Amino acid sequence: GESVGLHLPTLSVQEGDNSIINCAYSNSASDYFIWYKQESGKGPQFIIDIRSNMDKRQGQRVTVLLNKTVKHLSLQIAATQPGDSAVYFCAEISLYNQGGKLIFGQGTELSVKP
Amino acid sequence: EAGVAQSPRYKIIEKRQSVAFWCNPISGHATLYWYQQILGQGPKLLIQFQNNGVVDDSQLPKDRFSAERLKGVDSTLKIQPAKLEDSAVYLCASSLGPGQGTYEQYFGPGTRLTVT
Repeated sequence: GESVGLHLPTLSVQEGDNSIINCAYSNSASDYFIWYKQESGKGPQFIIDIRSNMDKRQGQRVTVLLNKTVKHLSLQIAATQPGDSAVYFCAEISLYNQGGKLIFGQGTELSVKP
Repeated sequence: EAGVAQSPRYKIIEKRQSVAFWCNPISGHATLYWYQQILGQGPKLLIQFQNNGVVDDSQLPKDRFSAERLKGVDSTLKIQPAKLEDSAVYLCASSLGPGQGTYEQYFGPGTRLTVT
């Protein structure tokens, strides 16, 4: 029969509110942790990354937090807009092992209500 | 700067048929990647090229999938014969390559394959 994909976790927020998307990673040796945004019919687009020796990094309207103790990564989006609606993936990369292979986690679908 | 180009954008085939996808990376990018993205999941690396050589093809089902990048620029990914479980989006990405100060990969729009 036809294969069915996994059901993505979803997050629904009101326009103007802040959004927090969470991710658990597996490899303590990863050098960078990255957030990607994927809109329908498009490839993943880089949003922000954080090096493994940092705890927090801020961009424009986005902040990434890294908690290495519990292997947890989060993406905070301030003043969420309808254009932020997409699937968000976390990814990790080890530059010197595995040839710099990106390992993606399960995505979260963000819906912004106007 | 032109992005990563892929064609076709959509393809529907019957199981046991063959299909090929084409990718043109960003000019000057030495490293090219093919990913498979099954509905509801994150992309999974199938094969990575550095110029025209294979760096990693550990997750490529070599009994049915093949890929080449003969001149170190464009690449093709082929499936022969296709199975129902090959239904997915096939993404191509490129990056400058090791030692260039950035690992960032740029993704194309993908080819959505449906196997019936």
